[in-house]
Amino acid sequence: SQTIHQWPATLVQPVGSPLSLECTVEGTSNPNLYWYRQAAGRGLQLLFYSVGIGQISSEVPQNLSASRPQDRQFILSSKKLLLSDSGFYLCASKWGTGGGYTFGSGTRLTVV
Amino acid sequence: KNQVEQSPQSLIILEGKNCTLQCNYTVSPFSNLRWYKQDTGRGPVSLTIMTFSENTKSNGRYTATLDADTKQSSLHITASQLSDSASYICVVRPQRGGSYIPTFGRGTSLIVHP
Repeated sequence: SQTIHQWPATLVQPVGSPLSLECTVEGTSNPNLYWYRQAAGRGLQLLFYSVGIGQISSEVPQNLSASRPQDRQFILSSKKLLLSDSGFYLCASKWGTGGGYTFGSGTRLTVV
Repeated sequence: KNQVEQSPQSLIILEGKNCTLQCNYTVSPFSNLRWYKQDTGRGPVSLTIMTFSENTKSNGRYTATLDADTKQSSLHITASQLSDSASYICVVRPQRGGSYIPTFGRGTSLIVHP
């Protein structure tokens, strides 16, 4: 079974500072990887997804970027954080066509 | 536009009682529908998955139903426990080629009181 490691669990960053959230997957190879953001009281919003190394698709224009330097590593970044970037960020993995999504434990980001 | 609407937005029940959460969707055609449980500050965990040909699926005290004709699903929780307090999210995956981007509902927040 898949296991997703996501860190850090909580992060408080000042406006204008850079961001790097990392997600690694165990137990599978060549998964589809996803970054979601969940604002308070809102549903999950898909930010980026990747079907392979170096392949990134963005679902919404924003201040964030994603990279996939290795098969089981997915990184969410920003050069300069905005207050509106605050939220709960979830990394998800999907392997194969019939399975569901496995989620990481999430990162609570607060931009102050 | 694919949409997933969940109701109620929040629900408070007493421990031991049953409850039913609703999910209406416009995703069509769809591949499968999943219910996830998300504890506060944690990632969602899958409870059930149903394809369009299935109309019920159980996982312990959780029973999901699906009516593909009316595009409605429900999650029934029997004999609720305090640990059932969480957000329950309905997710519908479209049937199309590519990366199968799912559509998430906003979730129902369930609080179980002793």
